[in-house]
Amino acid sequence: AQSVAQPEDQVNVAEGNPLTVKCTYSVSGNPYLFWYVQYPNRGLQFLLKYITGDNLVKGSYGFEAEFNKSQTSFHLKKPSALVSDSALYFCATPTDSWGKFQFGAGTQVVVTP
Amino acid sequence: NAGVTQTPKFRVLKTGQSMTLLCAQDMNHEYMYWYRQDPGMGLRLIHYSVGEGTTAKGEVPDGYNVSRLKKQNFLLGLESAAPSQTSVYFCASKAGLAGGLYNEQFFGPGTRLTVL
Repeated sequence: AQSVAQPEDQVNVAEGNPLTVKCTYSVSGNPYLFWYVQYPNRGLQFLLKYITGDNLVKGSYGFEAEFNKSQTSFHLKKPSALVSDSALYFCATPTDSWGKFQFGAGTQVVVTP
Repeated sequence: NAGVTQTPKFRVLKTGQSMTLLCAQDMNHEYMYWYRQDPGMGLRLIHYSVGEGTTAKGEVPDGYNVSRLKKQNFLLGLESAAPSQTSVYFCASKAGLAGGLYNEQFFGPGTRLTVL
């Protein structure tokens, strides 16, 4: 079965410091991996996805993610965190040809001034 | 484009009452989904649809029904609401035909439902 896991419930980082949100995957075949962000009282917003090609994927709001096949990971990164990056982050992968997603449990990011 | 919209935004029901949540998308997407989000439980799929007139059960379908009479609308019904259905409900849509497996889902703003 296709699945992703987010090992951290919460990540705390000071503004200006690098931010990393971890995601590992278990996928048979070619992995398709997604990151979403959810700001308070809002719906999920798409950040980026890995389909194939370059292992470093660039997305919205200055985020990027690194695909690592040997470590089965797809970590989300931002070089310099902002207070406004405080939100809930989900990684996801499709589980069937109808595009149903399996979402990770989510990681709460708290960026302090 | 408005994207994915949901009505209502908030609702309070008493146990046993019924209601319908409406999801509308203007992106001509084939696939639509209903999720619920609960603290500590992440996002769980309730029902989904891969085209007009079709629906299928997701992970937690009990107590809910859905209909997709028009391609742009996906309705979620609660026939007899229970306190366990207190949650935030999200609708999402996705282009299905070209590159369906790796297209992203687009989410609505959510409906916050409380059942007393």
